[in-house]
Amino acid sequence: GAGVSQSPSNKVTEKGKDVELRCDPISGHTALYWYRQSLGQGLEFLIYFQGNSAPDKSGLPSDRFSAERTGGSVSTLTIQRTQQEDSAVYLCASSLGGHSNQPQHFGDGTRLSIL
Amino acid sequence: AQKVTQAQTEISVVEKEDVTLDCVYETRDTTYYLFWYKQPPSGELVFLIRRNSFDEQNEISGRYSWNFQKSTSSFNFTITASQVVDSAVYFCARSVVDDMRFGAGTRLTVKP
Repeated sequence: GAGVSQSPSNKVTEKGKDVELRCDPISGHTALYWYRQSLGQGLEFLIYFQGNSAPDKSGLPSDRFSAERTGGSVSTLTIQRTQQEDSAVYLCASSLGGHSNQPQHFGDGTRLSIL
Repeated sequence: AQKVTQAQTEISVVEKEDVTLDCVYETRDTTYYLFWYKQPPSGELVFLIRRNSFDEQNEISGRYSWNFQKSTSSFNFTITASQVVDSAVYFCARSVVDDMRFGAGTRLTVKP
């Protein structure tokens, strides 16, 4: 499809396990963003990529969270030793360039549930 | 942190009523952009509008209108003659260079 694709759409895992979330941005979009949305809450910024580099990692909540982007395209967000407070919807967005005037296009998100 | 505040957590109206969603932002920059996004029950955020800090002209698109007031750092969103399909969570956002910050969102419920 032409939109931002995220997988899996749902993930249920046990506390302590590692999880990997994938985002496939719109072709040609060089900027990629990860957000977290807890139940009934707003969007919490996690990390931003321009190409393969991440100029802003300030939103990652702890060192259990990491993200990478390869080939200026697909990105993976990894959460190690998951905890129950990690349960949320993780949203990925992409935009043309990293310029502030570009609207972000969002994927459907990955709903992560930690048991 | 330079915040975006959406003071209204939830709003409920009856179909055909007009409703205004408030957004107040903080920034020390002279160049910035403001956005509104809609998140329907299906979950995917949809871009609605973008304004730059130098353009205070209000905008109307169908039943939607936006009022940008730099003097009060506000960018309010009005839906005229609301419809059930307008029910969603609406997010306001402010962007400076690469820093995009969202408000907490306002959940709008339009009842038939």
